[in-house]
Amino acid sequence: GENVEQHPSTLSVQEGDSAVIKCTYSDSASNYFPWYKQELGKRPQLIIDIRSNVGEKKDQRIAVTLNKTAKHFSLHITETQPEDSAVYFCAATSNNNDMRFGAGTRLTVKP
Amino acid sequence: DAGITQSPRYKITETGRQVTLMCHQTWSHSYMFWYRQDLGHGLRLIYYSAAADITDKGEVSDGYVVSRSKTENFPLTLESATRSQTSVYFCASSAYRDSTDTQYFGPGTRLTVL
Repeated sequence: GENVEQHPSTLSVQEGDSAVIKCTYSDSASNYFPWYKQELGKRPQLIIDIRSNVGEKKDQRIAVTLNKTAKHFSLHITETQPEDSAVYFCAATSNNNDMRFGAGTRLTVKP
Repeated sequence: DAGITQSPRYKITETGRQVTLMCHQTWSHSYMFWYRQDLGHGLRLIYYSAAADITDKGEVSDGYVVSRSKTENFPLTLESATRSQTSVYFCASSAYRDSTDTQYFGPGTRLTVL
């Protein structure tokens, strides 16, 4: 089955700086890559996703890039704000209803 | 987000007892999922259901049972709870025919097995 690795496990940045979280996956058939944000004690919420026919997607300060050849995808947050502090999860899946999640990255944005 | 709910939100039980966690969604989503979340493991799929009366195992299904007699409900039962099943459990749902669509998560149930 799919195996997703996520790095780093913790990330601390200064407010206004950029943050980058990277994930690799093992199953070349995976074609959907969502990113979830989870605040302390809350449910995971989708912040952005990308499909395998697209190399990059951007939504305001958040962007995701996908390199299918290398089987890795990354989340980029620019101009970070304290409210971006949370745990971020990447995930990967093919059309088999078996979404595999990375172990998570705890992002801390220092004011 | 209010369209998917879980109950109870917190549960403490003892080893060997049967426990049922409830999940209810009002969107008429065809797909529903159960995950457990443990520190260092992210979210792991326990079971999923493509429609009423259709269920299938996920990555960590041992010790769990599900049913789906109605589209809107997807209860998860721990037949004989063990301490290793102490976790936060999330239910999720999605609308389309495969999992390449947004999954919406419920608020979670924190289960402690003593």
